[in-house]
Amino acid sequence: AQSVTQLDSHVSVSEGTPVLLRCNYSSSYSPSLFWYVQHPNKGLQLLLKYTSAATLVKGINGFEAEFKKSETSFHLTKPSAHMSDAAEYFCVVSSIKSGGYNKLIFGAGTRLAVHP
Amino acid sequence: EAGVAQSPRYKIIEKRQSVAFWCNPISGHATLYWYQQILGQGPKLLIQFQNNGVVDDSQLPKDRFSAERLKGVDSTLKIQPAKLEDSAVYLCASSPNPRQRVYNEQFFGPGTRLTVL
Repeated sequence: AQSVTQLDSHVSVSEGTPVLLRCNYSSSYSPSLFWYVQHPNKGLQLLLKYTSAATLVKGINGFEAEFKKSETSFHLTKPSAHMSDAAEYFCVVSSIKSGGYNKLIFGAGTRLAVHP
Repeated sequence: EAGVAQSPRYKIIEKRQSVAFWCNPISGHATLYWYQQILGQGPKLLIQFQNNGVVDDSQLPKDRFSAERLKGVDSTLKIQPAKLEDSAVYLCASSPNPRQRVYNEQFFGPGTRLTVL
């Protein structure tokens, strides 16, 4: 069965410093992995996705993530945090269920706080 | 392109009352999902429609929750009667591809925040 574990429930950084949000996954086959962001009172927005084409995936707003099969990790990074990055971030794994339909399995989320 | 629309945005009810949520997916999207997001947790899938048919409702508490997508477009999710533990954000999402791929993206609406007193 597929699952994801987000290693930090809260991360706090200063504006202009690097961001690292950690995610480990469990999958019985090569997974597809996503990072979604949720700003307060707004819907979930896709940041980036890994589909096995390249291990380093670039997303929107300067975020990127690296798929490391040996470590079963898919950590999200950004070189320099901005105040607008403060939000909840979800690591997600996708699987195909019986019948051929895909299903997203969400981690518990990491709340990112950015301080001036 | 208009996004996924949901209404109402907020709802407060007393326990044992009933409530309904509405979702209008992105035009042309064949697959529609309802998720429940309890505070401090990631979204959990309640039900998935492919056009107007249910393909997964294994996590739906069928004794109190029901959902329909009669014409394969918009959808309603109902809770009757509500319990305190139903307090959550209910998210609707849609996906365009009729053929399922593991890398298919889902597009989410803003959600309905339900508070049960």
